[in-house]
Amino acid sequence: EPEVTQTPSHQVTQMGQEVILRCVPISNHLYFYWYRQILGQKVEFLVSFYNNEISEKSEIFDDQFSVERPDGSNFTLKIRSTKLEDSAMYFCASSPSGMYGGNEQFFGPGTRLTVL
Amino acid sequence: GQNIDQPTEMTATEGAIVQINCTYQTSGFNGLFWYQQHAGEAPTFLSYNVLDGLEEKGRFSSFLSRSKGYSYLLLKELQMKDSASYLCAVRDQTGGFKTIFGAGTRLFVKA
Repeated sequence: EPEVTQTPSHQVTQMGQEVILRCVPISNHLYFYWYRQILGQKVEFLVSFYNNEISEKSEIFDDQFSVERPDGSNFTLKIRSTKLEDSAMYFCASSPSGMYGGNEQFFGPGTRLTVL
Repeated sequence: GQNIDQPTEMTATEGAIVQINCTYQTSGFNGLFWYQQHAGEAPTFLSYNVLDGLEEKGRFSSFLSRSKGYSYLLLKELQMKDSASYLCAVRDQTGGFKTIFGAGTRLFVKA
């Protein structure tokens, strides 16, 4: 069964460093998402992406964040200068449709980012 | 703004039925999701409701009343493996489409 994959599973970085989190969505899906979940807290929407551009972003997704689909398979989240409060589990998700109908979002296993 | 409320914790007995409620306020409702999340794992999709009524899927059913801003997830024939957090999430189309998650209800199933 196709699934969303994410690498690395755990990333440790120093405050101020740039990190890139990678995701491979399910191949025939069209909509891609990033979420984060700080330990013990709720899942928070970061950004949605469709047709090679951002379709929606939250207040959390400021200028320090960017997303890219560099080729036909990868979907990346970059944090330019990490802060301690960026420590969280980051989930990538994809769905076959975005706006209409029952668009089940398939989540990847997550990347745990630890900023020291 | 958006707000989603669900109980923090519930406990139920193996083999029983449990109902997890969710109330929401949003200006641009465009569907409600229920996800299951085991500790340390990613959310997995359970159900999606956009019209009023009950959607049944095996042991799991989800109900929506848009006029009341209310949904529930019904789990039947509870199993120990159903112990998890259940996340209510609302898609809001105000200014675009984004999915807002509630804090989740942690369900403990006891023998």
